[in-house]
Amino acid sequence: GQSLEQPSEVTAVEGAIVQINCTYQTSGFYGLSWYQQHDGGAPTFLSYNALDGLEETGRFSSFLSRSDSYGYLLLQELQMKDSASYFCASSGTASKLTFGTGTRLQVTL
Amino acid sequence: EAEVAQSPRYKITEKSQAVAFWCDPISGHATLYWYRQILGQGPELLVQFQDESVVDDSQLPKDRFSAERLKGVDSTLKIQPAELGDSAMYLCASSLMVNTEAFFGQGTRLTVV
Repeated sequence: GQSLEQPSEVTAVEGAIVQINCTYQTSGFYGLSWYQQHDGGAPTFLSYNALDGLEETGRFSSFLSRSDSYGYLLLQELQMKDSASYFCASSGTASKLTFGTGTRLQVTL
Repeated sequence: EAEVAQSPRYKITEKSQAVAFWCDPISGHATLYWYRQILGQGPELLVQFQDESVVDDSQLPKDRFSAERLKGVDSTLKIQPAELGDSAMYLCASSLMVNTEAFFGQGTRLTVV
């Protein structure tokens, strides 16, 4: 089976750094992706990790530890527009793409 | 810019009626996904296609839901009969191949009354 757990909510102030964690149980794990979804919108791709380590894309970075079945998304220099839901998603057996429970990020002034 | 097209955007139907959703993926994308998303939850995979073949439909309620992608391009998801609990956002996504970025359509919001 496949399951991914994330904190349900995170609050941070504008300009700060926030980390959103994800633990997964995925058969035939291949990689971990992160998606952002604003209220009323569709999920959009942020990053992908297939190997252990840190991937950096502008203000966003994503980390994966395959041995710990764990990853995180790091958002730096938070802006109000970063207020959204963030989902980790794993690729597993038969390349099935399974999403986590989601973390709602609220950025405050 | 290429995008995943879905229709309709909104659908209201009475319980026990049939309803269908259509998805046209980005041209050339071999992998197509249908997800159901309930407000406040993550997308739940209903069915995944690789070209015209079903890769996974383990979470598809097969007694009432069906999906097809006959020519390996566009796809249709059908519910018959609809139940109140089917009210949700139905999202279609596509990717060039497996284990690559998935692009989502704007979804169909279904309300069953």
